[in-house]
Amino acid sequence: KAGVTQTPRYLIKTRGQQVTLSCSPISGHRSVSWYQQTPGQGLQFLFEYFSETQRNKGNFPGRFSGRQFSNSRSEMNVSTLELGDSALYLCASSLTRRGGNEQYFGPGTRLTVT
Amino acid sequence: GESVGLHLPTLSVQEGDNSIINCAYSNSASDYFIWYKQESGKGPQFIIDIRSNMDKRQGQRVTVLLNKTVKHLSLQIAATQPGDSAVYFCAENMNRDDKIIFGKGTRLHILP
Repeated sequence: KAGVTQTPRYLIKTRGQQVTLSCSPISGHRSVSWYQQTPGQGLQFLFEYFSETQRNKGNFPGRFSGRQFSNSRSEMNVSTLELGDSALYLCASSLTRRGGNEQYFGPGTRLTVT
Repeated sequence: GESVGLHLPTLSVQEGDNSIINCAYSNSASDYFIWYKQESGKGPQFIIDIRSNMDKRQGQRVTVLLNKTVKHLSLQIAATQPGDSAVYFCAENMNRDDKIIFGKGTRLHILP
């Protein structure tokens, strides 16, 4: 069974631009969560999608948004990029959204904002 | 800020010895805890989990201990191997809120 895939793996953008990252969950998994990982702040929860609906959201500004499609694939978008948005963006999938369900992470998208 | 933290940012262990990685959490309402391993260039990988109705759980070469009295979680790795070199994160979850909160991580170095 294929794991969680994320595209692109690396991305360089300039301040003010916007970016869209993609995540394909493990087949059959319906929940997708997104995390931002930086050396200073560690792994921080962005949002979770289940059945095409955002079910949970972390403490990030409205510039960060996402969506989930009927096939459970998910995208996240960051508008008006800032230097501080440089990070590794990870998505994780799980079978359901019940608390405590095992999550499987993708390799991440490394975003650099210059 | 995050409610889960780790005592040490870096831990060096001799190959073959046992490793103990510690974690403190602050939210007494958390009822599910997970340990993840992240190798360079990869996403976090699930190692082992434990629910708040347990105080110990064992896996292959790993044991997680939960002390709810002092809100402390630890991961024990038996007979540490070079492949165990990674950053280890503890994480907590409250069932009514499916958000998972991660700690800062401990980097485990294996000495030859």
